[in-house]
Amino acid sequence: SAVISQKPSRDICQRGTSLTIQCQVDSQVTMMFWYRQQPGQSLTLIATANQGSEATYESGFVIDKFPISRPNLTFSTLTVSNMSPEDSSIYLCSTEDTSSYNEQFFGPGTRLTVL
Amino acid sequence: AQKVTQAQTEISVVEKEDVTLDCVYETRDTTYYLFWYKQPPSGELVFLIRRNSFDEQNEISGRYSWNFQKSTSSFNFTITASQVVDSAVYFCALSEGNKLVFGAGTILRVKS
Repeated sequence: SAVISQKPSRDICQRGTSLTIQCQVDSQVTMMFWYRQQPGQSLTLIATANQGSEATYESGFVIDKFPISRPNLTFSTLTVSNMSPEDSSIYLCSTEDTSSYNEQFFGPGTRLTVL
Repeated sequence: AQKVTQAQTEISVVEKEDVTLDCVYETRDTTYYLFWYKQPPSGELVFLIRRNSFDEQNEISGRYSWNFQKSTSSFNFTITASQVVDSAVYFCALSEGNKLVFGAGTILRVKS
């Protein structure tokens, strides 16, 4: 199974600033996904990131707020822009294990608190 | 659109009791996958099982077992002889293409 790491593991940020979260996979993967988990809530998909193309955003999420980069097959970043306290969440990166169709593994998450 | 319902918000049991976590799903797809994940207090999401829509065999892995019934669109998860370390939030999820739709999660508290 793919091993996924994320940086930072947690951060406390001020309102109005931006934070970039990094996701690194130990093998090449086609698709990477970014999820948000608000406090006490379930996971919601933000966007799907394919290498070499624009990310595909889910309803309610926009590129200006959550720009995503996917420069190669092992790495992606998610930026949370112009943060407000409502952005306080755990942000999780995941990927699909192509050797085991549709088996998705998740990174450890980035716990973000916005003051 | 796909939907996953975990009606049990929170369950509390005493150690060694058996506990079943319910999951009901809705989909129009004929081919789909169902998942269970565990999220301990540390926050990481731990993959437990994936089941495809054509495989209705029940599965057992140690103290964990899963019952998949297409007729009732359910994919329930049973922990036998629960332990304190089983305390976590458990999520059921359904594939929608390559992405996952998650249920609201069930908080399981196992008391010693």
